[in-house]
Amino acid sequence: SQTIHQWPATLVQPVGSPLSLECTVEGTSNPNLYWYRQAAGRGLQLLFYSVGIGQISSEVPQNLSASRPQDRQFILSSKKLLLSDSGFYLCAWSRRQGGTDTQYFGPGTRLTVL
Amino acid sequence: AQTVTQSQPEMSVQEAETVTLSCTYDTSENNYYLFWYKQPPSRQMILVIRQEAYKQQNATENRFSVNFQKAAKSFSLKISDSQLGDTAMYFCAFIEGGSEKLVFGKGTKLTVNP
Repeated sequence: SQTIHQWPATLVQPVGSPLSLECTVEGTSNPNLYWYRQAAGRGLQLLFYSVGIGQISSEVPQNLSASRPQDRQFILSSKKLLLSDSGFYLCAWSRRQGGTDTQYFGPGTRLTVL
Repeated sequence: AQTVTQSQPEMSVQEAETVTLSCTYDTSENNYYLFWYKQPPSRQMILVIRQEAYKQQNATENRFSVNFQKAAKSFSLKISDSQLGDTAMYFCAFIEGGSEKLVFGKGTKLTVNP
């Protein structure tokens, strides 16, 4: 079966510090990978998605970037965090196929920027 | 732009009773998919049910079923025999066929009372 991991689970960072959140998927190959952010009391907003190694699509211009150095690894980064970057970050994966497949989510990372 | 509207910010139900959560969406496309996700206090997003727009038959998963009204662009979730473990935020989500962008509603907070 497939498993998706995210770490760290919780992170408190000062404004202006760098960020690196990691997501890995087990039990599948060539997945589509996604980063979402959930602000307090709101639904999820798609930030980035990737259909292959080194292929990143950005949905929202912002202070964040994403990279996919390996097939099942997806990293969310920032050089300098802003207060507005606080939120709950969820990674998701789906099977890469001709049709639209269900997205399955990881446990998430709660980021607080002070 | 595609939008998903959940008009009930909060709902409550007694254990063992039935509750229906509402969702409407807006799209000009004919090929799309609809989902209900559950987010318990742990905040991991868990798939509840999926519906393909080309299927007329309403999807069911054990105690969970949907009422999909394509012409009205309505996609409600019915939970039968509610259990305490059903207490969670419920998000309706929509994706167009071939797209990678899953669009979420703002969620409905469901509380199951003993």
